[in-house]
Amino acid sequence: AQTVTQSQPEMSVQEAETVTLSCTYDTSESDYYLFWYKQPPSRQMILVIRQEAYKQQNATENRFSVNFQKAAKSFSLKISDSQLGDAAMYFCAYRSDAGGTSYGKLTFGQGTILTVHP
Amino acid sequence: DSGVTQTPKHLITATGQRVTLRCSPRSGDLSVYWYQQSLDQGLQFLIQYYNGEERAKGNILERFSAQQFPDLHSELNLSSLELGDSALYFCASSVASSFNEQFFGPGTRLTVL
Repeated sequence: AQTVTQSQPEMSVQEAETVTLSCTYDTSESDYYLFWYKQPPSRQMILVIRQEAYKQQNATENRFSVNFQKAAKSFSLKISDSQLGDAAMYFCAYRSDAGGTSYGKLTFGQGTILTVHP
Repeated sequence: DSGVTQTPKHLITATGQRVTLRCSPRSGDLSVYWYQQSLDQGLQFLIQYYNGEERAKGNILERFSAQQFPDLHSELNLSSLELGDSALYFCASSVASSFNEQFFGPGTRLTVL
């Protein structure tokens, strides 16, 4: 079974600074997708960024970028120019592309609470 | 607004009772997923339906069941409720089961007293 680990329960950053959230995962599969979701106090789950495992190039979405290290099974999220609105719980998630009974299922890490200081 | 709707937003009930949570996916989405978020277990996948058929199953208790109707809305039925079932239940939808973003609804907060 796949597992996702976020080793940082809490992180903080100053507004306009850069912060990196860590995520590692364990899988024996070669085809999969990785995601970062944001959950603000409203509890809504919002997709921040996604990465296909077969792509070597790291995904980027505006101020959000990832560092995907497939061999190390590491998938960190970098937030540049942090804004007050970035304060939220961030979840790393894994999705298999191997089919079978787990097809479509997202496996989430424990989450990292990000605080942004003005 | 993701386009996924869930009702009710909040539900308070007693142990031993049965409740039904409802989800309407985004227009055009055929897949519906149910997740449970609790303090103890974190975010866990429960079950997935695709165009009316069960497609994948997670750690869903036998007391829980779900279905997807011909109009593609889905219901999650929770019975013989226990205190530990108190959680936020999310529904998500996607176009298909392949690599498509899952859009999450606002969730239903269930409190079992």
